[in-house]
Amino acid sequence: QQQVKQSPQSLIVQKGGISIINCAYENTAFDYFPWYQQFPGKGPALLIAIRPDVSEKKEGRFTISFNKSAKQFSLHIMDSQPGDSATYFCAASTGYGGSQGNLIFGKGTKLSVKP
Amino acid sequence: DGGITQSPKYLFRKEGQNVTLSCEQNLNHDAMYWYRQDPGQGLRLIYYSQIVNDFQKGDIAEGYSVSREKKESFPLTVTSAQKNPTAFYLCASKPEGSYGYTFGSGTRLTVV
Repeated sequence: QQQVKQSPQSLIVQKGGISIINCAYENTAFDYFPWYQQFPGKGPALLIAIRPDVSEKKEGRFTISFNKSAKQFSLHIMDSQPGDSATYFCAASTGYGGSQGNLIFGKGTKLSVKP
Repeated sequence: DGGITQSPKYLFRKEGQNVTLSCEQNLNHDAMYWYRQDPGQGLRLIYYSQIVNDFQKGDIAEGYSVSREKKESFPLTVTSAQKNPTAFYLCASKPEGSYGYTFGSGTRLTVV
């Protein structure tokens, strides 16, 4: 119940296309859903995050869509650029503190954007 | 600039030796975390600490040890009991009352 399942494992998109990465969860107590972006040899960096009281959040070319009833959320990268090539992780957690505040990560999606 | 510093960036050790990875933060964050990253495995939690002098095991704590003597520091020791220690290790921190993690740049440990 603590898992976050992420798909696909890898994704190749042409420049200018839309990249879509999906995640699913079981624990209905999760109330924070971030996406992290990681470049090779670097630590992950927070990209965008959503709470379950909204169905969509957009920041520039990056959008999170959240479907509470289906227990799924996804990251959409519009107008994908070669500089977006990285590994993307979804995650989920409950509450601010205690062990519930620990993020549970998906296994990651390696995105390659071809010029 | 505030952030998390992990050192060294690359570390090579012989099998059977203990090795300590450093993690220092100047963000005044209360909670600190150690994750291990292997290809296709995502980020797996090793240990975490929410206050000084207290820490808890994560999902894969066997063969690892930590200490939290100062708020700023959370070193990880990879012991000889860890059967497959070669991996990329990430340290993270989080302030009290917040969800968001800040990660360091990682240490790549290779055991030969």
